[in-house]
Amino acid sequence: GAVVSQHPSRVICKSGTSVKIECRSLDFQATTMFWYRQFPKQSLMLMATSNEGSKATYEQGVEKDKFLINHASLTLSTLTVTSAHPEDSSFYICSAALTGPTEAFFGQGTRLTVV
Amino acid sequence: GQQLNQSPQSMFIQEGEDVSMNCTSSSIFNTWLWYKQEPGEGPVLLIALYKAGELTSNGRLTAQFGITRKDSFLNISASIPSDVGIYFCAGQLTSGTYKYIFGTGTRLKVLA
Repeated sequence: GAVVSQHPSRVICKSGTSVKIECRSLDFQATTMFWYRQFPKQSLMLMATSNEGSKATYEQGVEKDKFLINHASLTLSTLTVTSAHPEDSSFYICSAALTGPTEAFFGQGTRLTVV
Repeated sequence: GQQLNQSPQSMFIQEGEDVSMNCTSSSIFNTWLWYKQEPGEGPVLLIALYKAGELTSNGRLTAQFGITRKDSFLNISASIPSDVGIYFCAGQLTSGTYKYIFGTGTRLKVLA
C-alpha cells in the first residue's frame, strides 16, 4: 500500500503553547487528507477533511480555531493544535486518499501530551 | 461524531480458531475498508471492498461487502498469536467529501 508519514510520532508540550503535526503522502499525490483523534481504547473520531488548496471541512463539535488545518500541497497537510491544554492530549492520526471511492492510508500517528 | 456499530467488542480465542466480526450501519456506503491497529501505531489497511456483494480475501482474511451496502464482515481463519490487535471497519460515504466513518473496533486476543 501507499506510504503516509506523520511527524512527530510523539510530542510533549506545555499548556498554552501550539503544536504542529505534519502528514505527508510519500509515494502518491493525495487530493484529500483526513485528521482523526483517538482516545485510549476508543475508535478513531474524524476531526476534519481537507482538500488541497481549499479550506478544511470540520466535523460537528470540532473547533476550527483550535485545530488549524492547512493542506498546502498534494503531499502535505498540517494540523496545528493552538493554545494546547491537557484535555487536548490524545493520539492524532492522519490519512491520505485520492478523491472518490478509494482506499485511505494512515500515518503512524502522533501522541500529543500537554503538561 | 458518527461511528459504525461493530461487534463483537472484544474476543479471546485459542490459536487456530476462526474469527468473525462485523459492522452494521443505517447509512449506505460505497466502500468498506478493514484495518488492523496495534498499540501506538496508525491503522494498517487489510482489505478494501468496493461493490455490494463483493467477497475478497487477503491470505487468511476474508471480507464481504453486504448486499444492502449497510454492512460488512471480516473473517480470520486459523488465527495465530500475531493476529492480536484491534480491528476496525471503515465505511466511506457515497458523496461529498467521501469521508470515512470508523467502527467501534474489535479487540482480538489470541491465546497460544
